[in-house]
Amino acid sequence: EAGVTQFPSHSVIEKGQTVTLRCDPISGHDNLYWYRRVMGKEIKFLLHFVKESKQDESGMPNNRFLAERTGGTYSTLKVQPAELEDSGVYFCASSQDLPGQGAQDTQYFGPGTRLTVL
Amino acid sequence: AQTVTQSQPEMSVQEAETVTLSCTYDTSESNYYLFWYKQPPSRQMILVIRQEAYKQQNATENRFSVNFQKAAKSFSLKISDSQLGDTAMYFCAFMKHGGGKLTFGQGTILTVHP
Repeated sequence: EAGVTQFPSHSVIEKGQTVTLRCDPISGHDNLYWYRRVMGKEIKFLLHFVKESKQDESGMPNNRFLAERTGGTYSTLKVQPAELEDSGVYFCASSQDLPGQGAQDTQYFGPGTRLTVL
Repeated sequence: AQTVTQSQPEMSVQEAETVTLSCTYDTSESNYYLFWYKQPPSRQMILVIRQEAYKQQNATENRFSVNFQKAAKSFSLKISDSQLGDTAMYFCAFMKHGGGKLTFGQGTILTVHP
């Protein structure tokens, strides 16, 4: 079974440009998460999709970030326009619900996209 | 809101020895999950071990075991017979029972020396 994949692995852009990150979750996982780790700091939650709906977007830093999950499969995270402080590693994770338990299974992570804004 | 604290930025251990990584957390939830994730230098983060708060028995996975002290809100990871492949950044994480986001600690860099 394929794991969570992310594209690109690295992206270097200039301040003011636009970047789109993509995440393909494990097949069948309804839950998809985006996280970010800024250099030297802890991994922070950005948002959570259940299928195509945004369940929790409380971690999105500002309106320069736009996440979509059309059709409930892969997700994209667009940063427009990028700022210097957006540099970091963006992780995607997916999980499935545990039937009848009102809970979710373990989150499985992708390799991350390292974004550098110059 | 939940917080997770890992007070050891870096740790080192000799191959074949045992090392314990510390993690404390704060929450008002009564039921939740705790995790240890490992991120080797190649960057893919993988699950090491998972603990349900309602279970009193400490979780174990081969050489990895936890010491879960619910009253003290402590969740340490013990790695026995350390191997070179255990070199990685280790993250402690919290999740409420209903699921949703993970709250991570700052991470501990573990280096296993030959």
